[in-house]
Amino acid sequence: DGGITQSPKYLFRKEGQNVTLSCEQNLNHDAMYWYRQDPGQGLRLIYYSQIVNDFQKGDIAEGYSVSREKKESFPLTVTSAQKNPTAFYLCASSMTGSIYGYTFGSGTRLTVV
Amino acid sequence: QQQVKQSPQSLIVQKGGISIINCAYENTAFDYFPWYQQFPGKGPALLIAIRPDVSEKKEGRFTISFNKSAKQFSLHIMDSQPGDSATYFCAASNGQAGTALIFGKGTTLSVSS
Repeated sequence: DGGITQSPKYLFRKEGQNVTLSCEQNLNHDAMYWYRQDPGQGLRLIYYSQIVNDFQKGDIAEGYSVSREKKESFPLTVTSAQKNPTAFYLCASSMTGSIYGYTFGSGTRLTVV
Repeated sequence: QQQVKQSPQSLIVQKGGISIINCAYENTAFDYFPWYQQFPGKGPALLIAIRPDVSEKKEGRFTISFNKSAKQFSLHIMDSQPGDSATYFCAASNGQAGTALIFGKGTTLSVSS
C-alpha cells in the first residue's frame, strides 16, 4: 500500500544530542514537508522540499536541518541548537504544483531529557 | 497575513448535535481550504476541502461553508457521533508550486454520548 512511513514512533534523546527523524514515502510525490505539533499550537512548518536536492525553510526552521537526496526520503535532523525540541513531528507529502492529496505520516514523538 | 485563525480551541457537543468550527484568514491569495481530522497519536487525515468558487461543499455529515467576502470558512458536523471526537485543523494555501499549507491551531471536539 502507498503511504508515508515515519520512524521511529517514539524517540528519546539526551539534551545536547542531535537526532534524525526518518520519513519515507512511496506515493511518487515530489513535494515533502515537515511540521511540528505542540499542544494548542497547531501544526507549524519546519522545512519543505518541492524537488530533490532543493528545500526551503518554513516558519520555525531554526535548530533543524534537512536533506533531500532521494525523491522518497526527507529526513529531519533536530540539532542541539533547537531550544525546545520535545514535540510531535509530522511528515507529509503532496504532488508537485498542488497541495491536493496532502498525505501525512503517523508522526514521531521526540522527548529530550 | 499568513495566519489562519481557528476557533473555538475546544468544543463539547451532545451526540446527535451539530458541531461548528470556524476559521478566518487574511491572505486573499489563498484559494484552497482543507479540513483535517486527527486522532490521538496519529497523523492528520484530509476530511474535506473547498475552493473559493463555491460557497458550500457537503460530504456526508460534513459541510464546509465559505464566505469569500468575510474571509471566513467553517466546518459543520451534523448528527455528531462519539467517533467524531478528534482534533480538527483548518488550513489554507494559494495552491501554487513552492507553497505549503498554513494550519490553524486546532479544535479538540468531544462528542458525549
